[in-house]
Amino acid sequence: DTEVTQTPKHLVMGMTNKKSLKCEQHMGHRAMYWYKQKAKKPPELMFVYSYEKLSINESVPSRFSPECPNSSLLNLHLHALQPEDSALYLCASTPTVLLLAALGVNEQFFGPGTRLTVL
Amino acid sequence: GENVEQHPSTLSVQEGDSAVIKCTYSDSASNYFPWYKQELGKGPQLIIDIRSNVGEKKDQRIAVTLNKTAKHFSLHITETQPEDSAVYFCAASKRNTGFQKLVFGTGTRLLVSP
Repeated sequence: DTEVTQTPKHLVMGMTNKKSLKCEQHMGHRAMYWYKQKAKKPPELMFVYSYEKLSINESVPSRFSPECPNSSLLNLHLHALQPEDSALYLCASTPTVLLLAALGVNEQFFGPGTRLTVL
Repeated sequence: GENVEQHPSTLSVQEGDSAVIKCTYSDSASNYFPWYKQELGKGPQLIIDIRSNVGEKKDQRIAVTLNKTAKHFSLHITETQPEDSAVYFCAASKRNTGFQKLVFGTGTRLLVSP
């Protein structure tokens, strides 16, 4: 199984709603990522988890709250979002660098994304 | 921090022609350079990558070259087909103990006309 799955595929929410995005991988990867991608732009890193611990927060507003409950699952909790937060939210995973060195594998696997619209 | 520039932003070719996309990076410590293809409504998919100890890598119709001195790397697609039409992103990364932080270029929209 060499894929990252994301649910839901589409999400429409109001500015007062609370919702969550879910990401799952069963490749044994111990690093997982959240990206935000606006139309016609490259993915923009938001958070990185390594061994279930938050390693990078790229100064993301607190209305986005990540969670890594176990090594296969990554959530992004959303609260009081703004219309400008509408975007494609991508999840990705990689083996750890130690494993990369052993296997010669570098690929960062991306999920299909969740298309979020904030009204 | 790392900055990656990518050119051109759009590229239109006829089927069967070659396509070349170029990227430059700023951080000499970067040592891994992947290329991703993103089709409409999908997540990016790795198509080829190169590490800093290699100058060129080829996989069928796709090749990547790296010039560490000039901090340039390029994607070459030969015998283009309509299904190659997509947005292509280059990226750069440097080794970290636990994860891989990619810095992406701005993207190239490739259109292959039959």
